[in-house]
Amino acid sequence: EAGVAQSPRYKIIEKRQSVAFWCNPISGHATLYWYQQILGQGPKLLIQFQNNGVVDDSQLPKDRFSAERLKGVDSTLKIQPAKLEDSAVYLCASRTITGGAYNEQFFGPGTRLTVL
Amino acid sequence: QQQVKQSPQSLIVQKGGIPIINCAYENTAFDYFPWYQQFPGKGPALLIAIRPDVSEKKEGRFTISFNKSAKQFSLHIMDSQPGDSATYFCAASKGGSSNTGKLIFGQGTTLQVKP
Repeated sequence: EAGVAQSPRYKIIEKRQSVAFWCNPISGHATLYWYQQILGQGPKLLIQFQNNGVVDDSQLPKDRFSAERLKGVDSTLKIQPAKLEDSAVYLCASRTITGGAYNEQFFGPGTRLTVL
Repeated sequence: QQQVKQSPQSLIVQKGGIPIINCAYENTAFDYFPWYQQFPGKGPALLIAIRPDVSEKKEGRFTISFNKSAKQFSLHIMDSQPGDSATYFCAASKGGSSNTGKLIFGQGTTLQVKP
């Protein structure tokens, strides 16, 4: 079974530029999460989708961050304009809803963003 | 109330030692407590998880101890090996019918196991 795929793996941009990250979840996983992991900290949830609907975006800085999950499969996370404090690893995770409320979340390798 | 506090921040043990990582939470609505292991350049991977109806769970060399009254849980790694050197995160989520799977992570513990 293929895992969660993310691209690019690394991105360096100047502040005020825009950037987009892509995630392809495990096939059949209805739930998709985007987390932000700042160096030395645990991942923090930015947004959660179930199929193509948003379940939780309470911690997404909506003035600069946006995300979509068209057709309930792939997802993109965009930052526009980027700030220095957005430097972090952006992790995508997916989970099946079949079988219960405590299913495992599977994480992708992440995209490391550096904002200069 | 949404926080999960993890300690220590870093830990160094000799091969064969038993590192212990501790976590504490406030929100009594949490009822699922996983531990994730993360190697450099990789995403976190589930190691072991526990629910509050048991006080201990073992999987191989990894054991979770859970103290519901104290709202604390810990990870023990028996007979630690250099290959266990990684960052470990505890996490918590709310269960039941409102469970969305949202994980609240601790700050992480970087473990180094010396040969």
